[in-house]
Amino acid sequence: GDSVTQMEGPVTLSEEAFLTINCTYTATGYPSLFWYVQYPGEGLQLLLKATKADDKGSNKGFEATYRKETTSFHLEKGSVQVSDSAVYFCALSDRNTGKLIFGQGTTLQVKP
Amino acid sequence: KAGVTQTPRYLIKTRGQQVTLSCSPISGHRSVSWYQQTPGQGLQFLFEYFSETQRNKGNFPGRFSGRQFSNSRSEMNVSTLELGDSALYLCASLAGFGTEAFFGQGTRLTVV
Repeated sequence: GDSVTQMEGPVTLSEEAFLTINCTYTATGYPSLFWYVQYPGEGLQLLLKATKADDKGSNKGFEATYRKETTSFHLEKGSVQVSDSAVYFCALSDRNTGKLIFGQGTTLQVKP
Repeated sequence: KAGVTQTPRYLIKTRGQQVTLSCSPISGHRSVSWYQQTPGQGLQFLFEYFSETQRNKGNFPGRFSGRQFSNSRSEMNVSTLELGDSALYLCASLAGFGTEAFFGQGTRLTVV
Protein backbone atom coordinates (compact mmCIF):
# COMPACT_ATOMS: atom_id res chain seq x y z
CA GLY A 1 0.00 0.00 0.00
CA ASP A 2 0.89 3.66 -0.08
CA SER A 3 3.48 4.86 2.41
CA VAL A 4 5.61 7.83 3.42
CA THR A 5 9.08 7.68 4.93
CA GLN A 6 10.74 10.60 6.66
CA MET A 7 14.25 11.00 7.96
CA GLU A 8 14.74 10.07 11.58
CA GLY A 9 14.86 12.85 14.12
CA PRO A 10 15.39 14.74 16.21
CA VAL A 11 17.15 17.32 14.12
CA THR A 12 18.99 19.97 16.12
CA LEU A 13 20.19 23.13 14.37
CA SER A 14 21.51 26.52 15.33
CA GLU A 15 19.50 29.58 14.41
CA GLU A 16 20.04 30.69 10.78
CA ALA A 17 21.24 27.22 9.72
CA PHE A 18 19.98 25.52 6.56
CA LEU A 19 17.30 22.90 7.03
CA THR A 20 16.55 19.78 5.00
CA ILE A 21 14.09 17.13 6.08
CA ASN A 22 13.96 14.21 3.67
CA CYS A 23 10.69 12.62 2.63
CA THR A 24 10.10 9.82 0.16
CA TYR A 25 6.87 8.14 -0.76
CA THR A 26 5.44 5.03 -2.35
CA ALA A 27 2.11 5.36 -4.09
CA THR A 28 0.06 4.05 -6.95
CA GLY A 29 -1.16 6.82 -9.14
CA TYR A 30 -0.35 10.47 -8.60
CA PRO A 31 -1.01 11.63 -5.07
CA SER A 32 -0.99 15.15 -3.74
CA LEU A 33 1.85 15.80 -1.30
CA PHE A 34 1.84 17.91 1.84
CA TRP A 35 3.98 19.08 4.70
CA TYR A 36 2.26 19.68 8.01
CA VAL A 37 3.71 21.17 11.19
CA GLN A 38 2.67 20.47 14.74
CA TYR A 39 3.57 22.72 17.65
CA PRO A 40 3.41 21.37 21.22
CA GLY A 41 -0.14 20.80 22.38
CA GLU A 42 -1.62 21.73 19.02
CA GLY A 43 -3.18 20.07 16.02
CA LEU A 44 -1.59 19.94 12.59
CA GLN A 45 -1.13 23.03 10.46
CA LEU A 46 -0.69 22.84 6.72
CA LEU A 47 2.72 24.23 5.82
CA LEU A 48 2.76 23.68 2.05
CA LYS A 49 1.45 21.44 -0.68
CA ALA A 50 2.11 20.23 -4.23
CA THR A 51 -0.43 18.52 -6.41
CA LYS A 52 1.57 17.34 -9.43
CA ALA A 53 5.08 16.48 -10.52
CA ASP A 54 7.58 19.36 -10.52
CA ASP A 55 5.25 21.60 -8.50
CA LYS A 56 7.04 23.59 -5.83
CA GLY A 57 5.13 24.38 -2.67
CA SER A 58 6.33 27.26 -0.51
CA ASN A 59 5.27 29.08 2.61
CA LYS A 60 7.00 31.08 5.38
CA GLY A 61 10.41 30.46 3.83
CA PHE A 62 9.90 26.70 3.58
CA GLU A 63 9.96 24.99 0.17
CA ALA A 64 9.46 21.49 -1.20
CA THR A 65 9.41 20.20 -4.78
CA TYR A 66 7.35 17.22 -5.95
CA ARG A 67 9.89 14.93 -7.61
CA LYS A 68 8.17 12.08 -9.35
CA GLU A 69 11.38 10.51 -10.69
CA THR A 70 12.82 10.12 -7.18
CA THR A 71 9.43 9.89 -5.41
CA SER A 72 10.56 12.57 -3.01
CA PHE A 73 9.24 15.75 -1.42
CA HIS A 74 12.08 17.09 0.72
CA LEU A 75 11.42 20.10 2.95
CA GLU A 76 13.98 22.92 2.95
CA LYS A 77 14.47 26.29 4.57
CA GLY A 78 17.43 28.55 4.07
CA SER A 79 17.60 30.05 7.56
CA VAL A 80 15.73 28.51 10.48
CA GLN A 81 14.52 30.40 13.53
CA VAL A 82 13.91 29.28 17.09
CA SER A 83 10.19 29.63 16.40
CA ASP A 84 10.46 26.87 13.74
CA SER A 85 11.01 24.29 16.48
CA ALA A 86 8.18 21.78 16.03
CA VAL A 87 7.36 18.36 14.61
CA TYR A 88 7.11 18.19 10.82
CA PHE A 89 5.02 15.60 8.99
CA CYS A 90 5.18 14.67 5.34
CA ALA A 91 1.94 13.27 3.94
CA LEU A 92 0.33 12.09 0.74
CA SER A 93 -3.32 12.17 -0.17
CA ASP A 94 -4.91 9.34 -2.05
CA ARG A 95 -6.94 11.03 -4.81
CA ASN A 96 -9.50 8.23 -4.75
CA THR A 97 -10.21 8.19 -1.03
CA GLY A 98 -8.97 11.50 0.32
CA LYS A 99 -7.17 9.57 3.04
CA LEU A 100 -3.96 11.15 4.26
CA ILE A 101 -0.99 8.87 4.86
CA PHE A 102 1.62 10.40 7.11
CA GLY A 103 5.28 9.84 7.71
CA GLN A 104 6.40 9.25 11.28
CA GLY A 105 7.25 12.91 11.86
CA THR A 106 10.58 14.66 12.36
CA THR A 107 11.23 16.76 15.43
CA LEU A 108 13.17 19.96 14.75
CA GLN A 109 14.84 21.84 17.56
CA VAL A 110 16.46 25.17 16.77
CA LYS A 111 18.84 26.62 19.34
CA PRO A 112 19.61 30.34 19.64
CA LYS B 1 -13.50 32.14 8.37
CA ALA B 2 -13.77 29.92 11.45
CA GLY B 3 -11.47 26.94 11.61
CA VAL B 4 -12.13 23.38 12.66
CA THR B 5 -13.50 23.12 16.17
CA GLN B 6 -13.10 20.01 18.28
CA THR B 7 -14.65 19.50 21.67
CA PRO B 8 -13.75 18.74 24.32
CA ARG B 9 -10.01 19.49 24.33
CA TYR B 10 -9.26 17.05 27.12
CA LEU B 11 -10.98 13.97 28.48
CA ILE B 12 -10.17 11.47 31.18
CA LYS B 13 -12.13 8.23 31.12
CA THR B 14 -12.00 4.89 32.87
CA ARG B 15 -11.46 1.58 31.14
CA GLY B 16 -14.73 0.10 29.93
CA GLN B 17 -16.48 3.43 29.56
CA GLN B 18 -17.46 4.98 26.27
CA VAL B 19 -16.69 8.44 24.91
CA THR B 20 -18.03 10.76 22.23
CA LEU B 21 -15.90 13.40 20.55
CA SER B 22 -17.24 16.22 18.42
CA CYS B 23 -15.93 18.07 15.39
CA SER B 24 -17.33 21.06 13.53
CA PRO B 25 -15.67 21.49 10.12
CA ILE B 26 -14.97 24.68 8.22
CA SER B 27 -18.12 26.20 6.84
CA GLY B 28 -18.82 24.80 3.37
CA HIS B 29 -16.62 21.73 3.82
CA ARG B 30 -18.62 18.53 3.59
CA SER B 31 -15.84 16.03 4.19
CA VAL B 32 -14.63 15.21 7.68
CA SER B 33 -11.88 12.75 8.53
CA TRP B 34 -10.68 11.46 11.88
CA TYR B 35 -7.16 10.46 12.86
CA GLN B 36 -5.62 8.94 15.95
CA GLN B 37 -2.17 10.12 17.00
CA THR B 38 -0.04 8.14 19.44
CA PRO B 39 3.71 8.20 20.11
CA GLY B 40 4.06 4.59 19.05
CA GLN B 41 1.88 4.39 15.96
CA GLY B 42 2.01 7.98 14.76
CA LEU B 43 -0.95 9.35 12.82
CA GLN B 44 -3.46 6.74 11.72
CA PHE B 45 -6.61 7.22 9.68
CA LEU B 46 -9.84 6.23 11.40
CA PHE B 47 -12.63 7.12 8.96
CA GLU B 48 -13.96 9.74 6.60
CA TYR B 49 -17.48 11.07 6.15
CA PHE B 50 -19.03 13.01 3.32
CA SER B 51 -22.61 14.18 3.25
CA GLU B 52 -23.55 11.98 6.22
CA THR B 53 -22.07 8.84 4.63
CA GLN B 54 -18.97 7.00 5.70
CA ARG B 55 -16.88 6.68 2.56
CA ASN B 56 -13.68 5.23 3.94
CA LYS B 57 -12.60 3.42 7.06
CA GLY B 58 -9.20 2.65 8.51
CA ASN B 59 -8.04 -0.48 10.20
CA PHE B 60 -9.57 0.00 13.64
CA PRO B 61 -11.87 -2.31 15.61
CA GLY B 62 -15.61 -1.89 15.58
CA ARG B 63 -15.46 -0.14 18.96
CA PHE B 64 -14.57 2.96 16.97
CA SER B 65 -17.50 4.45 15.14
CA GLY B 66 -18.61 7.79 13.83
CA ARG B 67 -21.35 9.71 12.18
CA GLN B 68 -21.96 12.94 10.38
CA PHE B 69 -24.96 15.20 10.63
CA SER B 70 -26.72 17.20 7.93
CA ASN B 71 -24.82 20.34 8.98
CA SER B 72 -21.53 18.43 8.38
CA ARG B 73 -20.68 18.29 12.06
CA SER B 74 -19.24 14.92 12.97
CA GLU B 75 -18.92 12.81 16.08
CA MET B 76 -16.81 9.81 16.80
CA ASN B 77 -17.54 7.30 19.50
CA VAL B 78 -15.29 4.81 21.20
CA SER B 79 -16.97 2.14 23.28
CA THR B 80 -15.49 -0.16 25.90
CA LEU B 81 -12.41 1.99 26.28
CA GLU B 82 -9.01 0.37 26.65
CA LEU B 83 -5.80 1.86 27.99
CA GLY B 84 -4.38 1.74 24.47
CA ASP B 85 -7.06 4.13 23.26
CA SER B 86 -5.27 6.96 25.03
CA ALA B 87 -4.29 9.30 22.23
CA LEU B 88 -4.78 12.64 20.57
CA TYR B 89 -7.78 12.41 18.25
CA LEU B 90 -7.66 14.82 15.37
CA CYS B 91 -10.45 15.87 13.09
CA ALA B 92 -9.77 17.18 9.59
CA SER B 93 -12.02 19.19 7.32
CA LEU B 94 -11.63 18.95 3.55
CA ALA B 95 -13.21 20.64 0.58
CA GLY B 96 -12.71 17.51 -1.55
CA PHE B 97 -10.48 14.55 -2.38
CA GLY B 98 -6.85 15.41 -2.93
CA THR B 99 -7.23 18.85 -1.40
CA GLU B 100 -5.54 20.01 1.75
CA ALA B 101 -6.94 18.95 5.09
CA PHE B 102 -7.43 21.52 7.82
CA PHE B 103 -7.10 20.12 11.29
CA GLY B 104 -8.62 21.01 14.61
CA GLN B 105 -6.57 21.26 17.79
CA GLY B 106 -7.56 17.75 18.74
CA THR B 107 -9.07 16.02 21.74
CA ARG B 108 -6.60 14.52 24.17
CA LEU B 109 -8.17 11.34 25.55
CA THR B 110 -6.61 9.64 28.55
CA VAL B 111 -7.94 6.25 29.62
CA VAL B 112 -7.09 5.22 33.18
